[in-house]
Amino acid sequence: DAMVIQNPRYQVTQFGKPVTLSCSQTLNHNVMYWYQQKSSQAPKLLFHYYDKDFNNEADTPDNFQSRRPNTSFCFLDIRSPGLGDAAMYLCATSGRDNQPQHFGDGTRLSIL
Amino acid sequence: QKEVEQDPGPLSVPEGAIVSLNCTYSNSAFQYFMWYRQYSRKGPELLMYTYSSGNKEDGRFTAQVDKSSKYISLFIRDSQPSDSATYLCAMTYLLSGYSTLTFGKGTMLLVSP
Repeated sequence: DAMVIQNPRYQVTQFGKPVTLSCSQTLNHNVMYWYQQKSSQAPKLLFHYYDKDFNNEADTPDNFQSRRPNTSFCFLDIRSPGLGDAAMYLCATSGRDNQPQHFGDGTRLSIL
Repeated sequence: QKEVEQDPGPLSVPEGAIVSLNCTYSNSAFQYFMWYRQYSRKGPELLMYTYSSGNKEDGRFTAQVDKSSKYISLFIRDSQPSDSATYLCAMTYLLSGYSTLTFGKGTMLLVSP
């Protein structure tokens, strides 16, 4: 089945230690999104790639970066995680098929 | 006023009950309306989406949109314990290509056996 896959499902890192989360998709969608979701809150969009074009939300901290080496993969890099960055990170995709965004199962990030 | 308002619940119902989940919104430019179901520690899963005002049915689920009142609903008939999850409404201007989703905060539903 075509899907959005996030690895790892759970990630523990230390305060200030860089961490990378990954997302892959088999939907061949041209747009990929990264969201941050904290407990009992709606997902908050961090940035998205439209093909190779990177688009940052205005309030996304500089601590968060992203890479998209090809259509199928996208990475979220957190350069110096703080305690406030502990959250679920969701990857989503959309394409030209007039369908709503498809989400992966997320990576739950914990900061020690 | 927030763009999308959704009661966080929790909403507790017995198995077999009819459930009504609702969202109101303020931006009349929204054209597409979605309901996502999110189980604990999982990502949002698309349940239904609609474009026009009116009802759309899929099995036990019915999505209703009233653009004049800026009000959307999701009805679940014959609710099951497996329906226990958080339900997020979301809306956007267009679907093709890049689309910004505006979410409600989600309503937690608990269906007891």
